[in-house]
Amino acid sequence: GAVVSQHPSWVICKSGTSVKIECRSLDFQATTMFWYRQFPKQSLMLMATSNEGSKATYEQGVEKDKFLINHASLTLSTLTVTSAHPEDSSFYICSAPKDGQIYEQYFGPGTRLTVT
Amino acid sequence: GEDVEQSLFLSVREGDSSVINCTYTDSSSTYLYWYKQEPGAGLQLLTYIFSNMDMKQDQRLTVLLNKKDKHLSLRIADTQTGDSAIYFCAEGGYQKVTFGIGTKLQVIP
Repeated sequence: GAVVSQHPSWVICKSGTSVKIECRSLDFQATTMFWYRQFPKQSLMLMATSNEGSKATYEQGVEKDKFLINHASLTLSTLTVTSAHPEDSSFYICSAPKDGQIYEQYFGPGTRLTVT
Repeated sequence: GEDVEQSLFLSVREGDSSVINCTYTDSSSTYLYWYKQEPGAGLQLLTYIFSNMDMKQDQRLTVLLNKKDKHLSLRIADTQTGDSAIYFCAEGGYQKVTFGIGTKLQVIP
């Protein structure tokens, strides 16, 4: 099966600093990747769609200058949380469909961010 | 906009069947999904059904779709303790997927 990895799996940072989270498709190419945020006991909320070689598409209410997304290759997308605040603490999950498939997304294991 | 609703909690005894229900609002959804999330982990796709199907069975899993009522259910036969997790119902068209809040399934030994 297709594998998506995320790094780091958890991170603790201080308020005001920036944190970069990587999402990699290990054995397939992904022109598109998705970034989700999950609060405790809540559903996944789509934050943005990451497109290889072009700008990301952000969902309404998501600050693009705060959550910087870069999709530099067909297997890597990064999410940088800039000037992090405690309210940014959450579980961030990425997903990627295999190119050519429209019905199945492969999810990464998630990154737990805690901002102190 | 799209909305997916499901109950928050279900408790069953090991060996019994579990039925998790979900309702959705977007009648244009092409695919409907069930995902499983274990504590601290990402999501695992359990099964999906095309919107033009009524039922899909995959080993212990049975998915029923009532498109008229926009109701989706997941039945797990012979529920095991390893089935304890949060189950997300989701609807989607081309790649973009909307998730429900998740149903926490507790299996009592």
